[in-house]
Amino acid sequence: DAGITQSPRYKITETGRQVTLMCHQTWSHSYMFWYRQDLGHGLRLIYYSAAADITDKGEVPDGYVVSRSKTENFPLTLESATRSQTSVYFCASSEGLRYEQYFGPGTRLTVT
Amino acid sequence: GQNIDQPTEMTATEGAIVQINCTYQTSGFNGLFWYQQHAGEAPTFLSYNVLDGLEEKGRFSSFLSRSKGYSYLLLKELQMKDSASYLCAPDYQKVTFGTGTKLQVIP
Repeated sequence: DAGITQSPRYKITETGRQVTLMCHQTWSHSYMFWYRQDLGHGLRLIYYSAAADITDKGEVPDGYVVSRSKTENFPLTLESATRSQTSVYFCASSEGLRYEQYFGPGTRLTVT
Repeated sequence: GQNIDQPTEMTATEGAIVQINCTYQTSGFNGLFWYQQHAGEAPTFLSYNVLDGLEEKGRFSSFLSRSKGYSYLLLKELQMKDSASYLCAPDYQKVTFGTGTKLQVIP
């Protein structure tokens, strides 16, 4: 199916564990983004990627790692999860920075 | 930050018109997006303004004044399904989202 998907949709993990959130898009969009959304903060950009093997930091990159070996995939890894990383994570893709972003359904992550 | 300012909450009546304002810093500004986000769902694109003026798209219109650092989203003939958060997102090299305006439409 065409579109942008995220997995898992829900995840509970413990402090200190590594967790990877997956994002996959079928449009061959060059740009992909990771956001977190928390009450009172809105959507905040964690990392983005302009193309395969090109990534850049956003507003809140600390504690996160990304990679983009293939155009269609953009995984986000929390190397050592902390409670402050409890949030809803959205992945998005677009044809360019000036183009509309298409968002995935989100992953609700709880760190205990 | 880019000092994006929009009201936190608004309430309007079904069938009415509502205007959601957004102000932002003008330095480095390229254009402005509006997104709609229903509770528990992902944001979806509404509009992107680059030039000054009003752009109409069905019941929704978006206005931009680049020099004043001001935009608004105008929703006409409100329907219950318009109850959602509306996110103002100025484009400064990277798109930056405001905290959103939660609109409640009441009968």
